[in-house]
Amino acid sequence: DTAVSQTPKYLVTQMGNDKSIKCEQNLGHDTMYWYKQDSKKFLKIMFSYNNKELIINETVPNRFSPKSPDKAHLNLHINSLELGDSAVYFCASSPPGTYNSPLHFGNGTRLTVT
Amino acid sequence: AQSVSQHNHHVILSEAASLELGCNYSYGGTVNLFWYVQYPGQHLQLLLKYFSGDPLVKGIKGFEAEFIKSKFSFNLRKPSVQWSDTAEYFCAVNAGQAGTALIFGKGTTLSVSS
Repeated sequence: DTAVSQTPKYLVTQMGNDKSIKCEQNLGHDTMYWYKQDSKKFLKIMFSYNNKELIINETVPNRFSPKSPDKAHLNLHINSLELGDSAVYFCASSPPGTYNSPLHFGNGTRLTVT
Repeated sequence: AQSVSQHNHHVILSEAASLELGCNYSYGGTVNLFWYVQYPGQHLQLLLKYFSGDPLVKGIKGFEAEFIKSKFSFNLRKPSVQWSDTAEYFCAVNAGQAGTALIFGKGTTLSVSS
């Protein structure tokens, strides 16, 4: 009955590979996000989608491409993985039309690039 | 651009001690303020939030925070911490308008010894 679910939980891969992380929410929210948490626990917004439309795109390498097939899903595809991409990636969602609502976070995907 | 500063990187307390974690933000307009907690190995959970009204807000688990507009601060407090409060604490801000992302501080690690 998880509200925001991410898969996989752990992802270990080699430099140069391409990988995807999936995120699904069953809360009926319109807005979804990807955040990156680095080794120092710093959380930084990467992308935000509202009803399948990209609304926030922070300074992120274009190797990262979000895809939202419908408003309940926001996947993250990463091309040509680099060592510096190692981090925990959190998906989150928030209710429609209420930008001041708290975010609901998924459990995170720990990506390790070797 | 908005930014959030958390002054304490790592706080170490004994059980029953009082806690205050500092948070300052830089943004001149209307803001929404949040404190999130991340227990070891878990996702972020909302502790409390402030949008408007009474500047002293109470959250879960006995936490409270005070919004002081003149100081651009939103400090988190708890009168008596418990060992189970050991976690990362994140202050977050977003501008009070649609299309803005939640910006997080760098977090404070709280370690409580029994």
